[in-house]
Amino acid sequence: DIQMTQSPSSLSASVRDRVTITCRTSQSVGSYLNWYQQKPGKAPNLLISATSSVQSGVPSRFSGSGSGTDFTLTISNLQPEDFATYYCQQSYSIPWTFGQGTKVEIK
Amino acid sequence: QVQLVQSGAEVKKPGASVKVSCKASGYSFTSYGISWVRQAPGQGLEWMGWISVYNGNTHYAHNLQGRVTMTADTSTSTAYMELRSLRSDDTAVYYCARGLGYCSGGSCPSGMDVWGQGTTVTVSS
Repeated sequence: DIQMTQSPSSLSASVRDRVTITCRTSQSVGSYLNWYQQKPGKAPNLLISATSSVQSGVPSRFSGSGSGTDFTLTISNLQPEDFATYYCQQSYSIPWTFGQGTKVEIK
Repeated sequence: QVQLVQSGAEVKKPGASVKVSCKASGYSFTSYGISWVRQAPGQGLEWMGWISVYNGNTHYAHNLQGRVTMTADTSTSTAYMELRSLRSDDTAVYYCARGLGYCSGGSCPSGMDVWGQGTTVTVSS
């Protein structure tokens, strides 16, 4: 199984900050890396598909990059509604696996 | 609008089975696949498996093989996930989520873009 390691596990940031979350996979997943946002008590929401394809309706302050085993989710100009937990997920190889999550909290 | 609506909360005893439904609307059900993802209290997301409604193929997580079955009824646009021999550590919120209908060898160049509201399954004696 492909192991997913997200870092950091949590972070504190202020509104208007730039935030970077990293996801490392135990073997190459090509570009098949997706990012989700989850707020408490809600279902996850797909932000970015296939490394860098931002979903319709997702603000442009969200971006993704990377390839192979190292990927990044960047939130520029952090907004109050962005405080949530973020998960990466690989869809390259069965079983699909998720990172452990990164909780973004208000400083 | 495109949505997935799941069945209501369940309370089960250890050793029992549970079957959760996920009714799709607003899109062509047979052109996509459905994944199931669960989340234990206070924990992260765990992928359980995927069914291609497009061609009926299924893939399951290794740790659930033999206990889980995913099906789809195209006449009612409803997907089902049945989990048997329930244990206390199966207590979780269970989500269905839409994905691509065809993923070559289980390799899918897209994430899960529409999610159900979640179904809480509690396993307790």
